[in-house]
Amino acid sequence: QQPVQSPQAVILREGEDAVINCSSSKALYSVHWYRQKHGEAPVFLMILLKGGEQKGHEKISASFNEKKQQSSLYLTASQLSYSGTYFCGTEIGTDKLIFGTGTRLQVFP
Amino acid sequence: DTEVTQTPKHLVMGMTNKKSLKCEQHMGHRAMYWYKQKAKKPPELMFVYSYEKLSINESVPSRFSPECPNSSLLNLHLHALQPEDSALYLCASSTWTPNTGELFFGEGSRLTVL
Repeated sequence: QQPVQSPQAVILREGEDAVINCSSSKALYSVHWYRQKHGEAPVFLMILLKGGEQKGHEKISASFNEKKQQSSLYLTASQLSYSGTYFCGTEIGTDKLIFGTGTRLQVFP
Repeated sequence: DTEVTQTPKHLVMGMTNKKSLKCEQHMGHRAMYWYKQKAKKPPELMFVYSYEKLSINESVPSRFSPECPNSSLLNLHLHALQPEDSALYLCASSTWTPNTGELFFGEGSRLTVL
């Protein structure tokens, strides 16, 4: 039931791009993306609804393909501040958000 | 005010103790959540309150007992915990409308059970 993310970890230099994937075995109605920095609470990045729309947040954007039950998060020209663990979240019924397995991103100068 | 406040930030307790974690939000959100997070793992949903009623209980052991005294407060009562219950306990709140549904998290209460 828990969405599976890939890769598990990514190491980047500043300015490089990355893609994080989220895949579910169940039908998706929406996908949330959160970032959690070390020792801090998860912070909401964006939500994608059915319809395959793409959303953006600064240089971070995401896509959602409900047919394939997948979402991807695109980080462009990464900055040091992008370091953290990224979680996708899927809604399993009303009010119930389940987080994916997580992807740890480290950006070095 | 877009804050969710959790107290205490750190808690150490023995297996026979009774303690409580508290969470407060003043954003008028109708849904409040408890998640448990172990190191290097995703948050795991424990309980959801919707309009002050328990709507989701993810088969959590009875040694964890949630309470929602009013729309702004959420408590998690702890009793006879085990060392494996040591974790970060995160509270969150949400309006859960179709085009938002953003969860606002508190900083968490880090629990150590000896």
